[in-house]
Amino acid sequence: DQQVKQNSPSLSVQEGRISILNCDYTNSMFDYFLWYKKYPAEGPTFLISISSIKDKNEDGRFTVFLNKSAKHLSLHIVPSQPGDSAVYFCAASYQKVTFGTGTKLQVIP
Amino acid sequence: DGGITQSPKYLFRKEGQNVTLSCEQNLNHDAMYWYRQDPGQGLRLIYYSQIVNDFQKGDIAEGYSVSREKKESFPLTVTSAQKNPTAFYLCASSPWEGEPQETQYFGPGTRLLVL
Repeated sequence: DQQVKQNSPSLSVQEGRISILNCDYTNSMFDYFLWYKKYPAEGPTFLISISSIKDKNEDGRFTVFLNKSAKHLSLHIVPSQPGDSAVYFCAASYQKVTFGTGTKLQVIP
Repeated sequence: DGGITQSPKYLFRKEGQNVTLSCEQNLNHDAMYWYRQDPGQGLRLIYYSQIVNDFQKGDIAEGYSVSREKKESFPLTVTSAQKNPTAFYLCASSPWEGEPQETQYFGPGTRLLVL
């Protein structure tokens, strides 16, 4: 039972354009959401988070949007840079953290 | 500088052998976690510990064991009962108070291969 889903396993975007990574969840009890970035053979690093009482959180080029009625979370990266190429995991939390399956982003120079 | 270290980076296991993966943190975090990552899959929680001398099973604990004798250390043993141990293992820690407890800091990982 995958409670956190990232339906796109991969995404390619041109440098300078916007990258939009999507995440859907099923458990309405989740109250905190996070995005992690992972390079090959390394551990994930925390990127940005959002509480369920908000619908948007911005940090530089990264913005996370939360639509609770749709149980949908998205990460916008603008402008995209080649160094953003990595696997992005969304995660949702209620008592414990549940990770999605990841989306591999490739930013093409 | 503070962080989480995992050793070794690569580990080979023979059939029927137990192996132990090391995880050490100097972030003074209370909680520590072990995850497993398989190709095309997300991170799956094996075990976690909120305080010293206490730990709980995660979603896929069968075939694994842990101990938490010190705050800084959370070793994971992959036992011979784990039939498919080949994976990338990630250790993480998080503060239990102060910052949102859900923000976890990850180590660099250990790749376990079965010979």
